[in-house]
Amino acid sequence: DTGVSQNPRHKITKRGQNVTFRCDPISEHNRLYWYRQTLGQGPEFLTYFQNEAQLEKSRLLSDRFSAERPKGSFSTLEIQRTEQGDSAMYLCASSPSNTDGYTFGSGTRLTVV
Amino acid sequence: SQQGEEDPQALSIQEGENATMNCSYKTSINNLQWYRQNSGRGLVHLILIRSNEREKHSGRLRVTLDTSKKSSSLLITASRAADTASYFCATDAGGKLIFGQGTELSVKP
Repeated sequence: DTGVSQNPRHKITKRGQNVTFRCDPISEHNRLYWYRQTLGQGPEFLTYFQNEAQLEKSRLLSDRFSAERPKGSFSTLEIQRTEQGDSAMYLCASSPSNTDGYTFGSGTRLTVV
Repeated sequence: SQQGEEDPQALSIQEGENATMNCSYKTSINNLQWYRQNSGRGLVHLILIRSNEREKHSGRLRVTLDTSKKSSSLLITASRAADTASYFCATDAGGKLIFGQGTELSVKP
């Protein structure tokens, strides 16, 4: 297990289309987090899971966003009816517990045209 | 929302010099962490300091935490060109990390 894996690395989509990103965390990590980052800004928290339970969801996450972590392993983040404002880097991270540092994936860069 | 504020926003130094970055936050925390991000990449965890600790070292990194002032500093000693990156502080206030805006460090050879 070499770290947190995110796919795809890049995604270009037309406005109004749905997109889905996948994150495979470090296998023994219970916690999984999704963040969004735009150019020149720090990562903004979106949501996080402990095992399969989604414990918190940011107000930034509109009804068009949904995240799942079936069976407490990999996670998916889906954006429906994409808008140009959704263009950003979507980062996934995992950690063993809530008191440890996070291991981040390389991110998925979304461009909505 | 961003809790931490880093200062300065950008820092340019010569190789061999020390770099100091500061972070201020607003609410009580369990711990504070520092991360590095190279352009277009994911973040890399550097160091974690708990709320009951005042100073921590890791290699060329030194982190201090002053909970009474709600502030932290990251010192990188004897900087190298490879240290060029963005550095973020992040506070754990229960459940997840909240990141600041970052300091962009440029180390010139």
